[in-house]
Amino acid sequence: GQQVMQIPQYQHVQEGEDFTTYCNSSTTLSNIQWYKQRPGGHPVFLIQLVKSGEVKKQKRLTFQFGEAKKNSSLHITATQTTDVGTYFCAGTQGGSEKLVFGKGTKLTVNP
Amino acid sequence: EAGVVQSPRYKIIEKKQPVAFWCNPISGHNTLYWYRQNLGQGPELLIRYENEEAVDDSQLPKDRFSAERLKGVDSTLKIQPAELGDSAVYLCASSAPRGARYEQYFGPGTRLTVT
Repeated sequence: GQQVMQIPQYQHVQEGEDFTTYCNSSTTLSNIQWYKQRPGGHPVFLIQLVKSGEVKKQKRLTFQFGEAKKNSSLHITATQTTDVGTYFCAGTQGGSEKLVFGKGTKLTVNP
Repeated sequence: EAGVVQSPRYKIIEKKQPVAFWCNPISGHNTLYWYRQNLGQGPELLIRYENEEAVDDSQLPKDRFSAERLKGVDSTLKIQPAELGDSAVYLCASSAPRGARYEQYFGPGTRLTVT
């Protein structure tokens, strides 16, 4: 079945450092979504990418969708303690309406 | 706008007992999802509804799990009998319009512990 791999599984940074998480699929994705889950919370939608090579920015967050639509990344510039949480990518394949989540990258930020 | 509501927030039961979770989606959202999230993992889809129709239940363990969405609004997910491996957070989400190509709004989840 469709699988979405995410690396790294954990990332610990000092406040002010940058952070990047990567998402990879063995098959072409129709779209990819990113969610953030705070400790003890529920996933919250961040953004959706649909087009090949698409790049979107939200303040300090930059999201990219690969040219082949098989990979994506989320980059956070100058992390803050409020960035703490687990970041999940999730994608759909072909005509499927099923959103498949990666295992997530857990980010901790040392103040 | 009220978010997705789930109850109970926590449930502790002994194995072989039944349990039910309830979800009220965001008003006007026709698509409703039930996910299971194990510790350290991403959410895994159990079932997806479009209005009152279950359009994807391929991942639902039908021998012990059942779900319903009467009148296309609220939904209930039931486990009978529960097993130790069912311990997880059960998340309900909704979206509009139909399909998985739109952002999903998640509820707070029900944390189930089976002892």
